[in-house]
Amino acid sequence: TQLLEQSPQFLSIQEGENLTVYCNSSSVFSSLQWYRQEPGEGPVLLVTVVTGGEVKKLKRLTFQFGDARKDSSLHITAAQPGDTGLYLCAGERNTDKLIFGTGTRLQVFP
Amino acid sequence: EPEVTQTPSHQVTQMGQEVILRCVPISNHLYFYWYRQILGQKVEFLVSFYNNEISEKSEIFDDQFSVERPDGSNFTLKIRSTKLEDSAMYFCASRRGSSGVGGYTFGSGTRLTVV
Repeated sequence: TQLLEQSPQFLSIQEGENLTVYCNSSSVFSSLQWYRQEPGEGPVLLVTVVTGGEVKKLKRLTFQFGDARKDSSLHITAAQPGDTGLYLCAGERNTDKLIFGTGTRLQVFP
Repeated sequence: EPEVTQTPSHQVTQMGQEVILRCVPISNHLYFYWYRQILGQKVEFLVSFYNNEISEKSEIFDDQFSVERPDGSNFTLKIRSTKLEDSAMYFCASRRGSSGVGGYTFGSGTRLTVV
């Protein structure tokens, strides 16, 4: 079974703090994507990483794909209440489907 | 910004009834998908569709499920005889390229409740 485990499952922090979310698997992925999902909505794509070791930045969000393409991390600098949401990693293995991670629910308090 | 549109947003149906969930993918996208998310659980792949045929399906997508692209714009998921365990959010997604080329655009989902 191709599992993507995310940690932590839940995270509650104060505005201004930094945080890192991890996405780990024993399987190699050809690409990995990060999504954010709001209640009652579909996942919204944040970034796609395809090369081992790749780092992408999106404002205060930094995404990294592991060298072996089995894991990824999402780092948020100076979190804001607007960052609150469910963060999902999802991987592809050269097939036409996404394997979603278990999700990290982030709450940022003002 | 282009959107994937799903209708209805909510559907309540009796067990054993047929339901059709509708999706309008982004117009220049070529690859279409259905995913579902049971409350409190992971998003799960159901089926992918390209060039008017199913390219891949999961073990969830049994004979009770079917997909169709009846015209140039709609993409539908039919469940022939719904079961209680089919209750979930169903998400349609589309993308322009195949594996490894860009991300998916998801619709806002249809919440299906089977009673």
